[in-house]
Amino acid sequence: DAGVIQSPRHEVTEMGQEVTLRCKPISGHNSLFWYRQTMMRGLELLIYFNNNVPIDDSGMPEDRFSAKMPNASFSTLKIQPSEPRDSAVYFCASSAEYTDTQYFGPGTRLTVL
Amino acid sequence: KQEVTQIPAALSVPEGENLVLNCSFTDSAIYNLQWFRQDPGKGLTSLLLIQSSQREQTSGRLNASLDKSSGRSTLYIAASQPGDSATYLCAVRWTDSWGKLQFGAGTQVVVTP
Repeated sequence: DAGVIQSPRHEVTEMGQEVTLRCKPISGHNSLFWYRQTMMRGLELLIYFNNNVPIDDSGMPEDRFSAKMPNASFSTLKIQPSEPRDSAVYFCASSAEYTDTQYFGPGTRLTVL
Repeated sequence: KQEVTQIPAALSVPEGENLVLNCSFTDSAIYNLQWFRQDPGKGLTSLLLIQSSQREQTSGRLNASLDKSSGRSTLYIAASQPGDSATYLCAVRWTDSWGKLQFGAGTQVVVTP
């Protein structure tokens, strides 16, 4: 199994630009989670999906952030417009039904200049 | 307020010593608790998951205990090796938070040869 796949691994962009992060969960997993990790705030849950439906987006910092899961094998996290304070490592994780063990992707390191 | 705390933030031990990592939580209404390992520049890897009804879980050199009444979990790593150097995070799923994990800030461990 390839594990959770994220792309790109690194993204450098300028303030005001749109950023799209992508995630492919492990095949057969039905829950998907987006996290953000920074030195100041640690690991924070942004949003999670169950069976492609957003269950809780209370962690999404503001309207500039949006996430979609059009099918069971793909999700995106979009930031528009991006700001320097969005610089962080963004992780995607997935888990199988009736289990709580989450499998994390390698992360996308985002730098907004 | 539900909080998860890990102290110390960092520790260094010589190879061969047993490692003891602490995690405390403010609410005894937990559903389960997980321990993760994070290597620099990588995602998180789940090590052990303890359900609220369990007192401990073991996997190889790793043993995790859970005491809900005192709000504490401890991860023991026997006979530490340089390859155990990483950041260890604990994460709590509260009974009132479907699927969501709340992470501690982590303990950065260095095992010196």
